[in-house]
Amino acid sequence: SQQGEEDPQALSIQEGENATMNCSYKTSINNLQWYRQNSGRGLVHLILIRSNEREKHSGRLRVTLDTSKKSSSLLITASRAADTASYFCATVEGAQKLVFGQGTRLTINP
Amino acid sequence: DVKVTQSSRYLVKRTGEKVFLECVQDMDHENMFWYRQDPGLGLRLIYFSYDVKMKEKGDIPEGYSVSREKKERFSLILESASTNQTSMYLCASSRAPNNEQFFGPGTRLTVL
Repeated sequence: SQQGEEDPQALSIQEGENATMNCSYKTSINNLQWYRQNSGRGLVHLILIRSNEREKHSGRLRVTLDTSKKSSSLLITASRAADTASYFCATVEGAQKLVFGQGTRLTINP
Repeated sequence: DVKVTQSSRYLVKRTGEKVFLECVQDMDHENMFWYRQDPGLGLRLIYFSYDVKMKEKGDIPEGYSVSREKKERFSLILESASTNQTSMYLCASSRAPNNEQFFGPGTRLTVL
């Protein structure tokens, strides 16, 4: 089945820098969602962007969506140690279920 | 504060045992989901449910069954646990199938 693919698989940056993660998908979507997972915990929903939207902000998060390229990016500005986590994109397949990518592991170094 | 709870954080079972994983949500959501998460494979959908007593197979239903007798509770059953079912199991709920999902903390199951 369709799956979002995050890039890079792992990212390590210094505290205060910006972090950018990318997601590509294969078929048309209803919406695309980003989630965060702290080690050994459940996922937390961060932001949802609909197929007719191009950009969305939430606090230090900025998500873009390019449906012509079938890609999305998540930008975290002014990173903090607490942002260390895995980040997943999820696309809505048909109208029924989310399909998750394998995630980007982000490490913020103090 | 909305909440999805799972019956255990850690569980150790023996091969061949019947295993019940329970999930409860307090948000009156119609939709509930069970995933397993494995390194290198991401999250994979096992089963989901749109309503009480209703269930649909996900991508990897083999070896699992589910039960949804009440709206707030969705149980995952391993009829005869095997070592390849050692994994992190995550439950989620949502108001609509394509809406944001709220996840429980996960159950790390080890089958010996």
